[in-house]
Amino acid sequence: GENVEQHPSTLSVQEGDSAVIKCTYSDSASNYFPWYKQELGKRPQLIIDIRSNVGEKKDQRIAVTLNKTAKHFSLHITETQPEDSAVYFCAASNTGRRALTFGSGTRLQVQP
Amino acid sequence: KAGVTQTPRYLIKTRGQQVTLSCSPISGHRSVSWYQQTPGQGLQFLFEYFSETQRNKGNFPGRFSGRQFSNSRSEMNVSTLELGDSALYLCASSPSYQETQYFGPGTRLLVL
Repeated sequence: GENVEQHPSTLSVQEGDSAVIKCTYSDSASNYFPWYKQELGKRPQLIIDIRSNVGEKKDQRIAVTLNKTAKHFSLHITETQPEDSAVYFCAASNTGRRALTFGSGTRLQVQP
Repeated sequence: KAGVTQTPRYLIKTRGQQVTLSCSPISGHRSVSWYQQTPGQGLQFLFEYFSETQRNKGNFPGRFSGRQFSNSRSEMNVSTLELGDSALYLCASSPSYQETQYFGPGTRLLVL
């Protein structure tokens, strides 16, 4: 089955810096890659997603890039703010088996 | 639109008991998926329902079961609870099969 690896497990940045979280997947059939943000005690919230026919997608300070050949995708957050502090999860799924396979999560801490 | 709702939010059970959790999807959403979240195993897929039919199942024992009703509401049941079943159980809904999933707040189950 699919396996998603996520790095780093923790990331501390200064407010205003950029943060990058990387994920690799194993199943070449995977074609959908969402990113979720989960604050302490809250539900995972979708922040951005990308499909395999697109190499990059941006939404204000957040961007995701996908390299299908290398089977990895990354989340980029620019101009980080303290409210960006949370655990971020990447995930992958494919048309045939739509269940999301999640990475292990990255705890992002933005220092004011 | 109201988001995904789950009841109850918190639950304490003892080993050997059984439990039923409920999920109401976003209005108009027909697909419901269930995930288990634990500190050790992360987010793991349990099963997905679409139009009252189970479409996918994760690698969980048969003690975990679910169903979906004609109004798209879903329930999951865990029989003969074990200590290791203590977790946050999340459901996610999507408009149709193979679309973006939106999570509910989860039910936190503690098995003593």
